[in-house]
Amino acid sequence: DTGVSQDPRHKITKRGQNVTFRCDPISEHNRLYWYRQTLGQGPEFLTYFQNEAQLEKSRLLSDRFSAERPKGSFSTLEIQRTEQGDSAMYLCASSSRTVNTEAFFGQGTRLTVV
Amino acid sequence: AQSVTQLDSQVPVFEEAPVELRCNYSSSVSVYLFWYVQYPNQGLQLLLKYLSGSTLVKGINGFEAEFNKSQTSFHLRKPSVHISDTAEYFCAVSDLRDDKIIFGKGTRLHILP
Repeated sequence: DTGVSQDPRHKITKRGQNVTFRCDPISEHNRLYWYRQTLGQGPEFLTYFQNEAQLEKSRLLSDRFSAERPKGSFSTLEIQRTEQGDSAMYLCASSSRTVNTEAFFGQGTRLTVV
Repeated sequence: AQSVTQLDSQVPVFEEAPVELRCNYSSSVSVYLFWYVQYPNQGLQLLLKYLSGSTLVKGINGFEAEFNKSQTSFHLRKPSVHISDTAEYFCAVSDLRDDKIIFGKGTRLHILP
């Protein structure tokens, strides 16, 4: 297993466009997390899944953000009508609730909205 | 809901000197605690974790942390730092009730020659 992978690594988009990011977790992990990180800040929790069920979505997250994990494997994070304030690193992590408990992180997708 | 406070945004320390990075958490139930490190232009990696048992936890690269339930703290320590320890360090807490992992804002460790 090669760990958590995220695609794309970088995305530049014009304001108002929609973007979608993909995350492939470690295969046996049932928990999947999305975080957002801006320069000099810690990862900010966005949402997380137990298998295909979305357990919680941050109240700070606007309705323009949506995430899915349709078959309990990979996940997608979509941002509609992007704004300049959406520019950040989007991190995906996965964990196994019963085995390791800690989250393993991917390299992230850096979004730049121009 | 759980939360994490890292009291110092930056900590400068001379090479070979000891260092302590402070972390306090808040939760109404039992927790797991973690320290992650992020080297420049790299992803987050686990440094150490506390799940249960001994309150002194040893991690990679000579780091250790002590869980103090009465003070709700999980401070990270290293007896002698090296220039390669220059990085951002994040404390994180996971509430046993829902397993959501919440991070602090981070502490930048700056090693002085």
